[in-house]
Amino acid sequence: AQSVAQPEDQVNVAEGNPLTVKCTYSVSGNPYLFWYVQYPNRGLQFLLKYITGDNLVKGSYGFEAEFNKSQTSFHLKKPSALVSDSALYFCAVSRGSYIPTFGRGTSLIVHP
Amino acid sequence: DTAVSQTPKYLVTQMGNDKSIKCEQNLGHDTMYWYKQDSKKFLKIMFSYNNKELIINETVPNRFSPKSPDKAHLNLHINSLELGDSAVYFCASTTGGRETQYFGPGTRLLVL
Repeated sequence: AQSVAQPEDQVNVAEGNPLTVKCTYSVSGNPYLFWYVQYPNRGLQFLLKYITGDNLVKGSYGFEAEFNKSQTSFHLKKPSALVSDSALYFCAVSRGSYIPTFGRGTSLIVHP
Repeated sequence: DTAVSQTPKYLVTQMGNDKSIKCEQNLGHDTMYWYKQDSKKFLKIMFSYNNKELIINETVPNRFSPKSPDKAHLNLHINSLELGDSAVYFCASTTGGRETQYFGPGTRLLVL
């Protein structure tokens, strides 16, 4: 079975500061890892993914994530947060099957 | 052109009614999903169709039935609606488990 944990329901950060949204996973074999963002009253939008290769993945809107196999983590990061980054962020894992597992979501609030 | 579209956007109905939500994707994807997002924003996968075959079916009530007339469409039919069915329902599509999912804008269902 595969699972995803997002340990923080909410992350608060000041504009201009770096941000981290945490994600850990459990899966048999090599994972396929994703981050999605959901703005209010919208569907989820893809941010970035790790399939193989370089552990540091760069994505949309200046976000990046680092795959850490030993810690089974895939934390989302951004060097300088913007107020417009405030949204709900979902981490997801799959193993090549068509059955993805999503985390419970983390609400990111960036204060001006 | 919208990649994944859903109709209707809003649906308000009485308990006991039967309703359908339509989903269409113009991306040429082989796999489509239905998700339910509850009031706490938790995202639960309900169904997946791959090449017109149902390949997963989570423990959802049998009042919910997916119908796929062709590869580009995956509709969700709900019988005997209950108060607890109130949620936002998202359709998504992809080419495979290691690929990005593209989400529709959501259908907000309110059962009175």
